[in-house]
Amino acid sequence: GAVVSQHPSRVICKSGTSVKIECRSLDFQATTMFWYRQFPKQSLMLMATSNEGSKATYEQGVEKDKFLINHASLTLSTLTVTSAHPEDSSFYICSARSRDSGSYNEQFFGPGTRLTVL
Amino acid sequence: QQQVKQSPQSLIVQKGGISIINCAYENTAFDYFPWYQQFPGKGPALLIAIRPDVSEKKEGRFTISFNKSAKQFSLHIMDSQPGDSATYFCAALKNYGGSQGNLIFGKGTKLSVKP
Repeated sequence: GAVVSQHPSRVICKSGTSVKIECRSLDFQATTMFWYRQFPKQSLMLMATSNEGSKATYEQGVEKDKFLINHASLTLSTLTVTSAHPEDSSFYICSARSRDSGSYNEQFFGPGTRLTVL
Repeated sequence: QQQVKQSPQSLIVQKGGISIINCAYENTAFDYFPWYQQFPGKGPALLIAIRPDVSEKKEGRFTISFNKSAKQFSLHIMDSQPGDSATYFCAALKNYGGSQGNLIFGKGTKLSVKP
């Protein structure tokens, strides 16, 4: 149980286009979903936190108009990178926090999405 | 200000040896300390976690040692295997059980287990 999926796993796009990444909790309902960015050989950097039905909370330095987050349901969150540029190329990872009281506050991570902007 | 400091940055261990990774934290409000394992091109996976009310937790070959007074915790991998080669992240969270709180990650340790 507690599986989080991401789609797509890899995406290559041209500079100036927008890219949408989906994050789904497959077998549990998530109170909160998190979006991280990871550069090669570096740690995870939290970009934003989203709760179902409310606006995302962005970390300092993350442009909310560039990284649009929608948390439409308890099992789905999307990250849209708008007008992508080569510097947006990175590994994007989502995680979901379970509503299950038995594993409350445990975060389950998705497999990540490799974005390459040409 | 880095709230969770992890060392070493990289570690090479012979097969069958013990791998030890250390983390230190500053915020005494942290009350949940997980370790994550990440393989290249994959998302992190929870390996083992500990709350500050115990000093040690063991699951198979993986053990967390926790020193509350020193604000340090470490991961021990016994009988290390080549399949353990991955990057390991420690993390800390405050307000465990509450609805708020984000994981604070260490910078990671790349472990290589030589056959």
